[in-house]
This record gives sequence, C-alpha cells and structure tokens, in this order.
Amino acid sequence: DAKTTQPTSMDCAEGRAANLPCNHSTISGNEYVYWYRQIHSQGPQYIIHGLKNNETNEMASLIITEDRKSSTLILPHATLRDTAVYYCIVRVPPGNQFYFGTGTSLTVIP
Amino acid sequence: NAGVTQTPKFQVLKTGQSMTLQCAQDMNHEYMSWYRQDPGMGLRLIHYSVGAGITDQGEVPNGYNVSRSTTEDFPLRLLSAAPSQTSVYFCASSQTFWLREKDNEQFFGPGTRLTVL
Repeated sequence: DAKTTQPTSMDCAEGRAANLPCNHSTISGNEYVYWYRQIHSQGPQYIIHGLKNNETNEMASLIITEDRKSSTLILPHATLRDTAVYYCIVRVPPGNQFYFGTGTSLTVIP
Repeated sequence: NAGVTQTPKFQVLKTGQSMTLQCAQDMNHEYMSWYRQDPGMGLRLIHYSVGAGITDQGEVPNGYNVSRSTTEDFPLRLLSAAPSQTSVYFCASSQTFWLREKDNEQFFGPGTRLTVL
C-alpha cells in the first residue's frame, strides 16, 4: 500500500525549476512525507522530508499543502544529473517502514 | 565510513540453489531492512530488523529468511531460488526504527543484481 500517487514521467529543461507533485489524500496527522530519488539503478538517495511545514535544504524544497493531502518537490535549478526516478513516500508510524510506489521518472533536457 | 555495503554485486543462480546476500553497515544503526526492486517497479520491503536479535516480515517475505546476530550485519537468505526471485536487492539502514527521531533517513546500499535461471 504505497499511499501516494505521482505522475509516471516528467520533463524539465536544464536550469529551470523542476516541480514534482505528489498526492497523499489519505495521509494522517502524524505521518511524514519523504522524498527519495534513484539514479539509474543505484540505491535510493534521501532528498528531503516534512510533516506540516515547508522545508528547504541544499538539494530541494518541499511544499506541503495546508490540508496535507498533497506536496510538491522543487528542484530549483535542474541539471542533467538530476535525471532520476523520484519517489514520494508516506512514512507510517510507529516505525521506519517505507512503502515505495512507482515514482516519477524525471528527465532533464539540455 | 563505508556506509551500507552489499555483496555480491551480481549473482546468477539456478532454480533450487540457495545463497546468502550480505549487507553490512558501519554507522551503528539499529534499523536495517531488505527491499527488492523488479523492472519498472518501486522497491518492496522484504524483511526488516529493529535491532540485533529482532527481525520481522515486510510486504513480500515468502522465500526469504533473515537473521540479525550483530548490529552491523543483516544477511538475506534465499533457501531455494526461483525465477520469480530475479530482481535487484537493496539493503538499507537508519539510526533507529522509531519515528521519535526526526531526521531518521534511510541509507541504501548499491544493490545486488540477482538472476535465477
């Protein structure tokens, strides 16, 4: 039960912002939203996570709607190295079990 | 720190053979887990461990055994390999299992690509 819905694929021009949406309409109040990405067939890499507030780190920004039913991952200046599959994951209490969906395949175009 | 390491990187088995996929981490993490990823699919949780001596099943545990005798190691055993177990296997670890730790991200290994003929 992935609990999230993401578009299958997206394109983004190099240097532009990439906005990756995720729906999690059944999310509960204490469930975190995590984003990971997987480049080629490497192990997934952590990007960012949040609960209620918007979050920003050196890689990306995470915007969570007020009702928490959806979120958007923003890569502010996409590069070719950002081409990857991006997974939006709702982490279910009490523990650290992650349930991955099929993610969004982002292609950054030169 | 080497992080999460997995061996072997590639393996070909015949149906019915057994083998063990190795996973080790040097970050003193309590929580470790195994996932499989089939072509075009997301990762699915096989087994996980919240600490030495404690293991539990994930989404797809059938055909796999695990044990956790030390904090560092979490091997995955295929008792009698089947073609349906052809997949890429990822091991992951995080500091703890419990959500009280705000920044409890999971670190993934590079994967083992297994083919069962």
